[in-house]
Amino acid sequence: DGGITQSPKYLFRKEGQNVTLSCEQNLNHDAMYWYRQDPGQGLRLIYYSQIVNDFQKGDIAEGYSVSREKKESFPLTVTSAQKNPTAFYLCASSISGRDYGYTFGSGTRLTVV
Amino acid sequence: DQQVKQNSPSLSVQEGRISILNCDYTNSMFDYFLWYKKYPAEGPTFLISISSIKDKNEDGRFTVFLNKSAKHLSLHIVPSQPGDSAVYFCAARGIQTGANNLFFGTGTRLTVIP
Repeated sequence: DGGITQSPKYLFRKEGQNVTLSCEQNLNHDAMYWYRQDPGQGLRLIYYSQIVNDFQKGDIAEGYSVSREKKESFPLTVTSAQKNPTAFYLCASSISGRDYGYTFGSGTRLTVV
Repeated sequence: DQQVKQNSPSLSVQEGRISILNCDYTNSMFDYFLWYKKYPAEGPTFLISISSIKDKNEDGRFTVFLNKSAKHLSLHIVPSQPGDSAVYFCAARGIQTGANNLFFGTGTRLTVIP
């Protein structure tokens, strides 16, 4: 079955350490996205990528980095520069067309202690 | 600045009754709207969508209404079932060259009481 996989589901890291969240899709979607969800904040866009080897900053990109070396993969690195990294992170993908929504992964909850 | 707003953080409805979830937007360039449903610790799943050329779209128990002049849309669930209890996100897309981004509201938590 086609889908989008985020791993791990739960992640704990010490303050000051970089951490990379995995996102893989086998839907042959061109576009991929990273969102962050905090209580009462809805979904906020961190980074997105329309094609391989290209990505753009979203609304809250500071303290994060991404890469898009393969169509299937869009890993997100949460760096030590991110002031409040503890959150629920969601990866999504979509066909680059006008009338399609997103397919989301099941999310990664990152806790920094 | 929040371009898509869901002003009701929560809603409780009796099983079998109608649930109405509301969403307002500020950007007149939005031309496609979607509703997503999210259970705890899971990713959102697509529920229903509507293009700005329509004012209503129906899929089983779910109907979305769009009022462009008021920049308002609503999701109606009839009849409501306990399994509908989840957080519902409204999302909108605009005419943006080279982009494919959805703007999400903050969500409304629906509780259907058996």
